[in-house]
Amino acid sequence: QVQLVQSGAEVKKPGSSVKVSCKASGGTFNSYAISWVRQAPGQGLEWMGVIIPMFGTANYAQKFQGRVTITADESTSTAYMELSSLRSDDTAVYYCARRIMGGTTYDYWGQGTLVTVSS
Amino acid sequence: DIVMTQTPLSLSVTPGQPASISCKSSQSLLHSDGKTYLYWYLQKAGQPPQLLIYEVSNRFSGVPDRFSGSGSGTDFTLKISRVEAEDVGVYYCMQSIQLPLSFGQGTKLEIK
Repeated sequence: QVQLVQSGAEVKKPGSSVKVSCKASGGTFNSYAISWVRQAPGQGLEWMGVIIPMFGTANYAQKFQGRVTITADESTSTAYMELSSLRSDDTAVYYCARRIMGGTTYDYWGQGTLVTVSS
Repeated sequence: DIVMTQTPLSLSVTPGQPASISCKSSQSLLHSDGKTYLYWYLQKAGQPPQLLIYEVSNRFSGVPDRFSGSGSGTDFTLKISRVEAEDVGVYYCMQSIQLPLSFGQGTKLEIK
C-alpha cells in the first residue's frame, strides 16, 4: 500500500526557514514525481513545485522561485521541501503528492504538515 | 498559467438528491497524447485531498459509482447521482497538462 508520511508540525519565526519531509513507502520511489502543494487556513490549494527523484530536477512555481528548494534522497525514499525567508502568510498546511512517471495522476497525498509562522 | 474556475462555490443538497459542479479551464486540457489532464478531488475536513476522478471521467480505486465526471477541452463537470452524508467536504478540480499545476477555488458541499 502506497503511503506518503510527512514530518510533524513546525512553529517558526519570521525570516527563518523550514524543511518538511515526505517519506514514501509501498512503491518505487525513483519512479515517482513528487509535488508540493500548500493550503493556507481556510483557503484553497496552491502548487509550489515538483521534483523527479530519478533525475534530481525540480521545477518551481514562479511565486516561490528563490525561496523554495525541493530535493529528494533516493536512498531513504524521502522528498524534502525547504522554504526560506518565512513570513506570516506562509502559515499553511503543506502537502506532498506523488505521480507515477509516465502517468498523469497525483493519486496519493501525504497527511499534511502544519507550518505556523509567528513571532 | 492555466486558470481553473469552479461553479458554484457552495452547494447545499438533500441526501439522495443529485449534485453537479462545473469546472472551466482557461486553456484546453487535451494533450497531444490524447489524454485530457483534468482531475477531481474531495477534501474532507482535516484531511488531505483524495482523488475521485482522473483524466475527466475515470473513477479512482474505491470511489463509489455515484460519482461521475464528464467534459472535454475546457469544460468539465462532476456529478454525484445521489448525495450521501459522507460526501460532505470541498471539491476541487485540478489540471496537470502544464506547469504550474492549478486548482479551482473549491466547491463546498454541505448536507441540508
